Amino acid sequence: DTEVTQTPKHLVMGMTNKKSLKCEQHMGHRAMYWYKQKAKKPPELMFVYSYEKLSINESVPSRFSPECPNSSLLNLHLHALQPEDSALYLCASSQETGSDTEAFFGQGTRLTVV
Amino acid sequence: AQSVTQLDSHVSVSEGTPVLLRCNYSSSYSPSLFWYVQHPNKGLQLLLKYTSAATLVKGINGFEAEFKKSETSFHLTKPSAHMSDAAEYFCVVSQLQTGANNLFFGTGTRLTIIP
Repeated sequence: DTEVTQTPKHLVMGMTNKKSLKCEQHMGHRAMYWYKQKAKKPPELMFVYSYEKLSINESVPSRFSPECPNSSLLNLHLHALQPEDSALYLCASSQETGSDTEAFFGQGTRLTVV
Repeated sequence: AQSVTQLDSHVSVSEGTPVLLRCNYSSSYSPSLFWYVQHPNKGLQLLLKYTSAATLVKGINGFEAEFKKSETSFHLTKPSAHMSDAAEYFCVVSQLQTGANNLFFGTGTRLTIIP
């Protein structure tokens, strides 16, 4: 299994809603990532988990809350989002955290905040 | 700090002709470099990576890239374009920070294939 699976594929939520994005991998990877990609822009790193501990938080607003329940799962909890948070949210994983390790990406969750 | 610059935001080639997508990097030490492809409304797929072994790297779908330290370049090429190659291509450099790996993406090059 060489896939990173993200659910849901699409999500529409109001600014007062609470929702969660889910990501799963069964490749035994020990690093997992959340990226945000706006239209026609490159992905931007949000969070990195290494061995289930938060290693990097790229100054992301607290309305985004990551969680890593175990080595295979990564969640992103959303609360009180703004319309400008609408984007494609990509999850990725890598075997280790060395700089020469490639990341495997999921298909993404396209989020629309109304 | 690491960074990459993709010199063309949009490249158009005819089917069956060569593809050249340009990328220059900035790094204070020997970098790890990657090319990823993103088809419309899809995630990113790794095409190839350079990690200080051979300077000519072969990837999937007939793509290859050459690491040239003297030119700080890592251009992506393919001898003959196929319609299925139409996509967004990202040159990426990685940087290890605080025990985890951060990928820095270029701004992307949209490749259009003309029938």
